[in-house]
Amino acid sequence: AQSVTQLDSQVPVFEEAPVELRCNYSSSVSVYLFWYVQYPNQGLQLLLKYLSGSTLVKGINGFEAEFNKSQTSFHLRKPSVHISDTAEYFCAVSANSGNTPLVFGKGTRLSVIA
Amino acid sequence: ETGVTQSPTHLIKTRGQQVTLRCSSQSGHNTVSWYQQALGQGPQFIFQYYREEENGRGNFPPRFSGLQFPNYSSELNVNALELDDSALYLCASSSIAGSYNEQFFGPGTRLTVL
Repeated sequence: AQSVTQLDSQVPVFEEAPVELRCNYSSSVSVYLFWYVQYPNQGLQLLLKYLSGSTLVKGINGFEAEFNKSQTSFHLRKPSVHISDTAEYFCAVSANSGNTPLVFGKGTRLSVIA
Repeated sequence: ETGVTQSPTHLIKTRGQQVTLRCSSQSGHNTVSWYQQALGQGPQFIFQYYREEENGRGNFPPRFSGLQFPNYSSELNVNALELDDSALYLCASSSIAGSYNEQFFGPGTRLTVL
């Protein structure tokens, strides 16, 4: 079984400042890793994913994440945030075999302050 | 290409009632997964349907049941509603092909149980 811990429930940050949202996972098997964004009253949108290969993954809207197997982490970063980045961010994991379900963390609320 | 759609958008029910939520999968997708997202939590996997059969289930009681139709659309049925069933219900469609199958999420149905 897999589990995900998002270490911060809320992260306030000023506009144009950098941000890091932290995610740690636990799994007894190899995994795929994901970050999703959820805007108010909307579903989930995939920001980026790690399947294999390069540990630095670039996604949409200027976000990137780094897979660190030894620390079982997959932190999300953006060098300069915008007001429009205000949303809930979810880290998720799935076993890398077949069509396995996603296991989500509890989410991090990113609030960008003007 | 039509994305994942869900109906209704919002629903209010009382304890003990039954509810049916609907999901139309993205064109070309043959798998539908349902997730429950309680307020302030990450989504939790309920079950998955592939070729009209249940293909995996999370830790939810039998009063949560589902169907998938030949056109790959799906229904989630919940009997004997409880207050804790109040949540956003998300469906996600994917296509089983290879080891990774991206799930595309619908906007969700917000269920309130009074």
